Amino acid sequence: DTAVSQTPKYLVTQMGNDKSIKCEQNLGHDTMYWYKQDSKKFLKIMFSYNNKELIINETVPNRFSPKSPDKAHLNLHINSLELGDSAVYFCASSQILGRAGDGELFFGEGSRLTVL
Amino acid sequence: KQEVTQIPAALSVPEGENLVLNCSFTDSAIYNLQWFRQDPGKGLTSLLLIQSSQREQTSGRLNASLDKSSGRSTLYIAASQPGDSATYLCAVLPSGTYKYIFGTGTRLKVLA
Repeated sequence: DTAVSQTPKYLVTQMGNDKSIKCEQNLGHDTMYWYKQDSKKFLKIMFSYNNKELIINETVPNRFSPKSPDKAHLNLHINSLELGDSAVYFCASSQILGRAGDGELFFGEGSRLTVL
Repeated sequence: KQEVTQIPAALSVPEGENLVLNCSFTDSAIYNLQWFRQDPGKGLTSLLLIQSSQREQTSGRLNASLDKSSGRSTLYIAASQPGDSATYLCAVLPSGTYKYIFGTGTRLKVLA
C-alpha cells in the first residue's frame, strides 16, 4: 500500500500547454510538499501545505499553482509550460513540530515532466 | 541561513569495503537529520532519521551519527554490496520550521 503516490509518472507535452500532477498520502500527515529535482539532481522545495494552508511558497513563477483540497491531497498545476520546466517533480509528506510526529519525510516516486 | 554540504560528491569502492559518507550543516539548531537513498529514476527512500537529541541510529548494515555541535553527520555502510550503489542524500529540518534543507548528495558505486 503506497504511502505517497503521485500521478502521472511521466508527462511529455509541448511548450505552452497546461498540465497537472496529483499527489495523495495515506499516512495521516498534516504537511505535504512539492519539490523540483533538476538535471543535476539537486532537490529544491517549491511549496508546502500544512492542513490545507499554504505555509511555504518559494520563489516559483506564478505559472505554478498548488492546490490542497484536503490534507491528504496536494496537486500541482502548471500553466504555459516552458522548456525550463522539464524536471522531476516530487511530492512528499511529514508530520512534525510536536503534532505527535517525528518529522520523517516520505517521498512519492516522482513525476518526470518533459517539455518539447 | 542553513546550508547542507555532502562530501565527496562521488565515490567508487570495491565490494566488501566499509565506507563513510559525510554531511555537514552550518546551523546546529535542527529538529532532525535524515538520510535518504535515491536509485536512478526513482524517488527518495528514507534510510535513517536522527532526532536532535539522539547521537546515532542503526538499521542493518547502516549506522548514522549526529554531532550537532560540530554540524556533522556521517552515514557508515558496513560490508558494501553492489546493491548499495545509489545516490545518498542528507536533509536537515531546522528548528521551528517545516522546510527541510537538502545536501547535494553523494553518488556511490560499489564494484563487484
